[in-house]
Amino acid sequence: NAGVTQTPKFQVLKTGQSMTLQCAQDMNHEYMSWYRQDPGMGLRLIHYSVGAGITDQGEVPNGYNVSRSTTEDFPLRLLSAAPSQTSVYFCASSYGQGATDTQYFGPGTRLTVL
Amino acid sequence: DQQVKQNSPSLSVQEGRISILNCDYTNSMFDYFLWYKKYPAEGPTFLISISSIKDKNEDGRFTVFLNKSAKHLSLHIVPSQPGDSAVYFCAASAWDDKIIFGKGTRLHILP
Repeated sequence: NAGVTQTPKFQVLKTGQSMTLQCAQDMNHEYMSWYRQDPGMGLRLIHYSVGAGITDQGEVPNGYNVSRSTTEDFPLRLLSAAPSQTSVYFCASSYGQGATDTQYFGPGTRLTVL
Repeated sequence: DQQVKQNSPSLSVQEGRISILNCDYTNSMFDYFLWYKKYPAEGPTFLISISSIKDKNEDGRFTVFLNKSAKHLSLHIVPSQPGDSAVYFCAASAWDDKIIFGKGTRLHILP
């Protein structure tokens, strides 16, 4: 099992550019989520999905889009990158949505927006 | 408004001694608490959790204590080992299962 994989590991964008952060899991987990971590901050939930075809907003969804066409993949799209989106992005998956379901995190994507 | 607070950004502990990481919360609706550990350039990994119906949960060298009246929990690591050097995140969730994370405490284990 590869677990949760994220690509790319690093990315530099210019303001206004768009890009997609990829996330895939091979554990057949229904629940997937995206977090961002900023210096001196905890992880904040951006978007989440409870299954293929179902997505919902988290705490900080503005500027991001998601879709879930398969159980395995949960890409995060930045529509028009802004410097405020400079952060480390983590994708996570778990069997269910409950807090008691252990979340498995990917290694992260470090994004810099100039 | 921070609902989960880890007031110590960093902590240094001698190898072999006890490490105590503290966490306070403000939302009385939180009923499940978790600790995650994070190494540099890696994602967080789940360490230990506790339900609000308990006041203690133990897993090997790791014990989490919950004091509901004080809205306080702590993670004890005994004995501390070099591999325990990492950032530790306290997290909590309520009825909606949304997990709220603290800012983290960086633990340094000194040789």
